[in-house]
Amino acid sequence: AQSVTQLDSQVPVFEEAPVELRCNYSSSVSVYLFWYVQYPNQGLQLLLKYLSGSTLVESINGFEAEFNKSQTSFHLRKPSVHISDTAEYFCAVSRMDSSYKLIFGSGTRLLVRP
Amino acid sequence: DGGITQSPKYLFRKEGQNVTLSCEQNLNHDAMYWYRQDPGQGLRLIYYSQIVNDFQKGDIAEGYSVSREKKESFPLTVTSAQKNPTAFYLCASSFATGTAQETQYFGPGTRLLVL
Repeated sequence: AQSVTQLDSQVPVFEEAPVELRCNYSSSVSVYLFWYVQYPNQGLQLLLKYLSGSTLVESINGFEAEFNKSQTSFHLRKPSVHISDTAEYFCAVSRMDSSYKLIFGSGTRLLVRP
Repeated sequence: DGGITQSPKYLFRKEGQNVTLSCEQNLNHDAMYWYRQDPGQGLRLIYYSQIVNDFQKGDIAEGYSVSREKKESFPLTVTSAQKNPTAFYLCASSFATGTAQETQYFGPGTRLLVL
């Protein structure tokens, strides 16, 4: 079975500071990796995903995540956050040998303060 | 505009009552999903459907039922057997390419409260 661990339930940070949101996963088979973002009272939106190739993936709004197979991690980073980045961030995995099921972590609330 | 709509935004359920949450998509996606979100927890899969007239139970299907009579629609009924229905319900859809790499697109959600 797969599982996803997001150890930090909340991460407070000042505007323009760097941030890292941690994600570790457990799986006996190869997986695809995703980061979704949820703004207050809204659905989730895909931020970025790793399927294959370069282990560093980037989003259009400055976030990046690096797949580390040996550490089974997929941490999300941004060098300088904005107030508008305040949201909940979910890490998720899906099995490469399976169909459509996504396994989500419990989420990390990023709180950006002025 | 293409997307997923869910209605209503808020729904109140009385004890012993069945309620139905609507989910419609115009993205031409074959696959649709229902998730439940509770505070401090990730999303948990209730049901999913890869094709019209077919659906499978997810991790927490007890107390819920679905139908998939049209490609665009995937309504979820919360039955009286669901003893703790208060949660935020999210519908999603994706292309059904037979792989797990497809992005799921989410609706805005329905918040269900018990009176």
